[in-house]
Amino acid sequence: DAGITQSPRHKVTETGTPVTLRCHQTENHRYMYWYRQDPGHGLRLIHYSYGVKDTDKGEVSDGYSVSRSKTEDFLLTLESATSSQTSVYFCAISDHPGGRGQETQYFGPGTRLLVL
Amino acid sequence: AQTVTQSQPEMSVQEAETVTLSCTYDTSENNYYLFWYKQPPSRQMILVIRQEAYKQQNATENRFSVNFQKAAKSFSLKISDSQLGDTAMYFCALDHSGNTPLVFGKGTRLSVIA
Repeated sequence: DAGITQSPRHKVTETGTPVTLRCHQTENHRYMYWYRQDPGHGLRLIHYSYGVKDTDKGEVSDGYSVSRSKTEDFLLTLESATSSQTSVYFCAISDHPGGRGQETQYFGPGTRLLVL
Repeated sequence: AQTVTQSQPEMSVQEAETVTLSCTYDTSENNYYLFWYKQPPSRQMILVIRQEAYKQQNATENRFSVNFQKAAKSFSLKISDSQLGDTAMYFCALDHSGNTPLVFGKGTRLSVIA
């Protein structure tokens, strides 16, 4: 298994509080992704990174920000959590960008977030 | 826009039987790649199989194989000799050219029944 960890694995928080989720990899892969998974929606991309300090928005980026100061860490921040952000969050890594047919993504174990 | 559609939200199959999960996609690209991912109850996403669009031969990985119909933009997954451990959500994904990330379908929940 690819070396990807996510922390915390479970979190309960209140509406309006800031929340930061961490993704850590030991594979030295350049590309990192944050997804959320919700019933009926499958996996939706929030943000992704194609290098240190290089990030871009995905399909559902509103209300989320990211940072990548080191290759191995990709942080997802909910500045002011809302109940609609209750979800399971997955981090993924790959060593190739999309479009070249080599994007085998490796996923972390997921973080279950509940916003009350 | 590139899209991936999985029309079967849930399926079930008897142990040792064969089951086929459907996936259709839409892309204007000629070169692309398709994937099937498995997500068991542990929630970790696991790559099952991948197919290069330029290859006519269908990909096979042990009990897992695909039926890739490029003209019809169809990419179904066949699981032979189903096992209880195959119980999971299965996601179809498209890697279209353009330097953007994968596009996922909404998933099919497969239950293998003893």
